[in-house]
Amino acid sequence: GAGVSQSPSNKVTEKGKDVELRCDPISGHTALYWYRQRLGQGLEFLIYFQGNSAPDKSGLPSDRFSAERTGESVSTLTIQRTQQEDSAVYLCASSLVGGASNSPLHFGNGTRLTVT
Amino acid sequence: DAKTTQPPSMDCAEGRAANLPCNHSTISGNEYVYWYRQIHSQGPQYIIHGLKNNETNEMASLIITEDRKSSTLILPHATLRDTAVYYCIVPRTDNAGNMLTFGGGTRLMVKP
Repeated sequence: GAGVSQSPSNKVTEKGKDVELRCDPISGHTALYWYRQRLGQGLEFLIYFQGNSAPDKSGLPSDRFSAERTGESVSTLTIQRTQQEDSAVYLCASSLVGGASNSPLHFGNGTRLTVT
Repeated sequence: DAKTTQPPSMDCAEGRAANLPCNHSTISGNEYVYWYRQIHSQGPQYIIHGLKNNETNEMASLIITEDRKSSTLILPHATLRDTAVYYCIVPRTDNAGNMLTFGGGTRLMVKP
């Protein structure tokens, strides 16, 4: 079946511009996660959505970062006034049940963001 | 998360079994062991997970010791496409968004 889909796959933007990244989770998955991975580094948690509950935003690095998800469908991650340190691969993942240790995460291939 | 320890790198000959070890001596009784891998320029890929019993799927086998303090991921017939960084993870069990912590992993190089 279809996996997690992210778009665009690559994005180059100028410093100070806003960007919007999109994630289509696997159908039926109630939980959705955003992670960031800088070059040569591990995954950094950003935000987590579980159904209609309030999202866990504890990983967002600044108020320039925000994310939305409508129901159990598409999510968008928005970065305002981009900075060069925002350059990274932004990964989205979904799982059947959130916050449960018996529910694997399935990742998309990410959006590679380059801020010039 | 329970801390996991993996060797930083391993080599394996193509067609042979790759056995990747992981120590998780502080694992709790209800915590699962997960394996993911990340191939260059791709997102992490789920491989397999288990609690107490050994598990097998189309990708790999997972052998968990009786005391659950260590496990081994087995790729029975490694191919060049299995070259990747393999992560052994014991996720948090509370309802937390940040349930996965990816450590350094093992960089597996499959050689012809």
